Amino acid sequence: QQQVKQSPQSLIVQKGGIPIINCAYENTAFDYFPWYQQFPGKGPALLIAIRPDVSEKKEGRFTISFNKSAKQFSLHIMDSQPGDSATYFCAASVRGSQGNLIFGKGTKLSVKP
Amino acid sequence: DAGVTQSPTHLIKTRGQQVTLRCSPKSGHDTVSWYQQALGQGPQFIFQYYEEEERQRGNFPDRFSGHQFPNYSSELNVNALLLGDSALYLCASSLPGVLDYEQYFGPGTRLTVT
Repeated sequence: QQQVKQSPQSLIVQKGGIPIINCAYENTAFDYFPWYQQFPGKGPALLIAIRPDVSEKKEGRFTISFNKSAKQFSLHIMDSQPGDSATYFCAASVRGSQGNLIFGKGTKLSVKP
Repeated sequence: DAGVTQSPTHLIKTRGQQVTLRCSPKSGHDTVSWYQQALGQGPQFIFQYYEEEERQRGNFPDRFSGHQFPNYSSELNVNALLLGDSALYLCASSLPGVLDYEQYFGPGTRLTVT
């Protein structure tokens, strides 16, 4: 019940395309859903996050869509660039867990020029 | 504004040895969490420190211990190292209160156990 399932495992798109990464969860106590971007040899960087009281959040070229009834959320990257090539992780935090993030297994995104 | 810093960058240890990893939180942050990231996997929560006490712990054995100092920096200690402890160890810092879910990660320490 604590798991966050992320798909796909890897993704290849052309420059300008819109990659979509999906995550699903079971625990309805989750109340914070961040996305992190990680480049090789670096720590994860917080991209964007959403709480379950909203269905969509946009920050620059990154958009989170959230479906509370389906217990799913997704990351869309608009006008993707080769510099967006990285591994993306979704995560979730349980209410009252003091910030203990539970991560998905990651999606390796490659944006071709 | 300095972000989260960790030392050392890389470390090679022998099975059975002990290791200490260090972390300085982002300026203004007072909560430090530690995560283990195995190759090709997402980070896994080890524990979190606030006000120099362990506030929450993940599913890791007692061989993993930590400490937080009055200046909010933190150490992760691992005793009796196993080959399976080879991983990237990440430190994350956050603010307490409403924003405490927003965690900012350091670059990590790559630990190799031989």
